[in-house]
Amino acid sequence: DTEVTQTPKHLVMGMTNKKSLKCEQHMGHRAMYWYKQKAKKPPELMFVYSYEKLSINESVPSRFSPECPNSSLLNLHLHALQPEDSALYLCASSLSGQGSGYEQYFGPGTRLTVT
Amino acid sequence: GENVEQHPSTLSVQEGDSAVIKCTYSDSASNYFPWYKQELGKRPQLIIDIRSNVGEKKDQRIAVTLNKTAKHFSLHITETQPEDSAVYFCAAAPSGGYNKLIFGAGTRLAVHP
Repeated sequence: DTEVTQTPKHLVMGMTNKKSLKCEQHMGHRAMYWYKQKAKKPPELMFVYSYEKLSINESVPSRFSPECPNSSLLNLHLHALQPEDSALYLCASSLSGQGSGYEQYFGPGTRLTVT
Repeated sequence: GENVEQHPSTLSVQEGDSAVIKCTYSDSASNYFPWYKQELGKRPQLIIDIRSNVGEKKDQRIAVTLNKTAKHFSLHITETQPEDSAVYFCAAAPSGGYNKLIFGAGTRLAVHP
């Protein structure tokens, strides 16, 4: 399997809802990433997990809570989001997160709308 | 921290022409420079990358050049085809750390038949 998969593809949630995004890869990669992408903008890094440990949190609000249950899975738990959080949420993975120069492969994303 | 500037923001060419997209970076310690293509509604797709110990890399119609002294790198697409139409993002990875990528703002390329 050479792909990163994400579910769901689309999600509409109210500001009081709790929902989760899921990302999965079976390439043996040991680093996984969450990005947020607004329309006509580049991906913006949110979190990096390296060897299942949170390595980077780019000052993301606590209403976004990442979780890495094992080396193949990455979740993003959402709670009390704001309409401005509406965006495409992309997951990516790479062989390693230690150092730099490792190719990152993106999943198809979850299109999130907060009403 | 690292900052990446990308130009132009939009580029329109005729099918068969060449297209060039340029990026500059600020951190001289950055050592990895990937390029991603993102079609409308699709995921960013890694199309080519270059590391700081190499000056040029080619893959069929796509090439990337790196000038470490000037801190800029460029994407060259030859014999453009309508399916090359997409948004292209350059990125730079500062050395060390956790494989963090700093993206440019993107270039919207339109190839007209």
